[in-house]
Order: sequence, then C-alpha cells, then structure tokens
Amino acid sequence: QKEVEQNSGPLSVPEGAIASLNCTYSDRVSQSFFWYRQYSGKSPELIMSIYSNGDKEDGRFTAQLNKASQYVSLLIRDSQPSDSATYLCAVSLEEYGNKLVFGAGTILRVKS
Amino acid sequence: DTGVSQDPRHKITKRGQNVTFRCDPISEHNRLYWYRQTLGQGPEFLTYFQNEAQLEKSRLLSDRFSAERPKGSFSTLEIQRTEQGDSAMYLCASSLGHVTGEKLFFGSGTQLSVL
Repeated sequence: QKEVEQNSGPLSVPEGAIASLNCTYSDRVSQSFFWYRQYSGKSPELIMSIYSNGDKEDGRFTAQLNKASQYVSLLIRDSQPSDSATYLCAVSLEEYGNKLVFGAGTILRVKS
Repeated sequence: DTGVSQDPRHKITKRGQNVTFRCDPISEHNRLYWYRQTLGQGPEFLTYFQNEAQLEKSRLLSDRFSAERPKGSFSTLEIQRTEQGDSAMYLCASSLGHVTGEKLFFGSGTQLSVL
C-alpha cells in the first residue's frame, strides 16, 4: 500500500458541476495536509492546506479532512475548463520525518 | 519576481555527463527542498536544507547525486555520470521552516533528458 493514494482518473465533469477529488493516507498521526494543482508541463501550485478535522473553504475550493478515516478530499464548485489539471494530495508523514509525501495525482478534465 | 527560481528550465545531456542545477528560494525562507518527478507520478523527496545544513537525504539519492547550499542562500544539485533513469523533472521548493510539514512553494523545475 502506498503512503498517499489517489485515484489517477481522469475524472471528467461538465462545466459548472462539482468536482470531488479524494485522497487516503497511511499515517495516523499526520498533522498537515495540502492540495496542489499542476498543469501539464508546469510545477505544482499550492491551492489549499488543512490541519484539523472538518471543512475549510476558500473561494470555489473546499478541503475536507477526516483523520479517523485517514481521508482528505477536495471539492471544486462551479468547475471551469481552466480547472483542468492534475491535483496532487500531499501529507506530512511522521514515518518520513514529517516531510511532505505526495500522491500520484488525479487528472481532472472539465468539459465545456 | 519573488518566487522560487530554477535554472536551467531544460537540460539535455548525454549519458555519462555531469549536470548541475541551481535553485534560488524565496528570500525569507530558510528551508529548501529538492524533489524529483517523473511522468504520471507525484514529486518524490530527495533532500532538504535548513539554512546551509543538509539535514536529510532520501534513500533514493544515489552517491552520484550531491546537493549544496552555501551560505544558506541558493542551492545546487549535481548529478554525476548521468544515466537514462535520471531523466525527470527536478523541482526545488522552499518554506519558512522551523517546523516540517509547512507549506512548500515550488519553482518552475528543471526538465532533464538523458540521451
């Protein structure tokens, strides 16, 4: 089992819909969770961080964290074609000295 | 531009040659990280610095790889005797530091192709 797992996709949603991206992780004591967006050929860009259970909203993005289930998700409301990218989940894992470990990413395609 | 900058953006080299990449972090950030990313995968940790001290190296990092951060400012990553398996995007990131797990801000990366 990988330390940080994501469905590789692609996840296809119509423009204006809600995109739901999921991530599970292996370390029960992880404290920091991040979502990065990566366009093809570009570097990862930080879009959300979350540290405690529950929801955190920032514009059209909502991050959800459930530490008991070792699960973090990202919701994108009113999806736009410009949201089409790979979304990387990153978790600080204690077994790796709390460094960020990344999932392989989920490809999101928003169809206009 | 006050973001993380990396140079060069692209590097094509022949197998067996040495290459060196440079990273300039955000000026007030004291932690600097090197990651490597291949197609379809997330970034993999290679090494990181707290100021000028290299605190950790990944088991992935063979003896052919060496990184420095003189004076705690810019950093260089050198790969000696390159192999085709070294072809990847090399990403540099920086953070404010003091506590691991802080937000990382990435540079644009150096795409290495080993022929």
